[in-house]
Amino acid sequence: SAVISQKPSRDICQRGTSLTIQCQVDSQVTMMFWYRQQPGQSLTLIATANQGSEATYESGFVIDKFPISRPNLTFSTLTVSNMSPEDSSIYLCSAYGGRESGANVLTFGAGSRLTVL
Amino acid sequence: GQQVMQIPQYQHVQEGEDFTTYCNSSTTLSNIQWYKQRPGGHPVFLIQLVKSGEVKKQKRLTFQFGEAKKNSSLHITATQTTDVGTYFCAERDSFGGATNKLIFGTGTLLAVQP
Repeated sequence: SAVISQKPSRDICQRGTSLTIQCQVDSQVTMMFWYRQQPGQSLTLIATANQGSEATYESGFVIDKFPISRPNLTFSTLTVSNMSPEDSSIYLCSAYGGRESGANVLTFGAGSRLTVL
Repeated sequence: GQQVMQIPQYQHVQEGEDFTTYCNSSTTLSNIQWYKQRPGGHPVFLIQLVKSGEVKKQKRLTFQFGEAKKNSSLHITATQTTDVGTYFCAERDSFGGATNKLIFGTGTLLAVQP
């Protein structure tokens, strides 16, 4: 199965600053997905990152706030811009590549826990 | 858009008791997946169900897909403290055309008291 490395694992940020989260996959994947998980909540999809094209954002998420890069088939970044305390969450990178061949099984990075003061 | 509701939101059991979480969708599902997230961890894939009425077992875990493919359940027999975590069902988004994104249910947090 795919192995996903994500960093930073956690950070404490000041209001108004921006932070970029990096996600590295150990194999080439077509699509990568960025999720947000607020404390005690489920996973909410932010956007789908495709190599060679702009990311596709879900309702409620915009590129200006969450710019995404996807320079190649193994790497993506998510930036959380102009942060406010409401952005305090765990941000998870994921890609397909589970142990069931051919199945749409998501493998996740360990997550980046952001606290905005 | 699609909504995937899970009940209960939270369940506290004594070790050895059984546990069931239910997943209900507003639309017919092509397949349903289940993930487990340990406290402080990230979601990990458990199983995928595809066929109407399908039942799959993993040791003490039994997964079922409804006949109408609109609901699913996860049953744990004789819970252990290692079962602690949040269980999510997830469905492939079928709203708005072909897509590969997964929509996660609201989750059920299981606490097991030794």
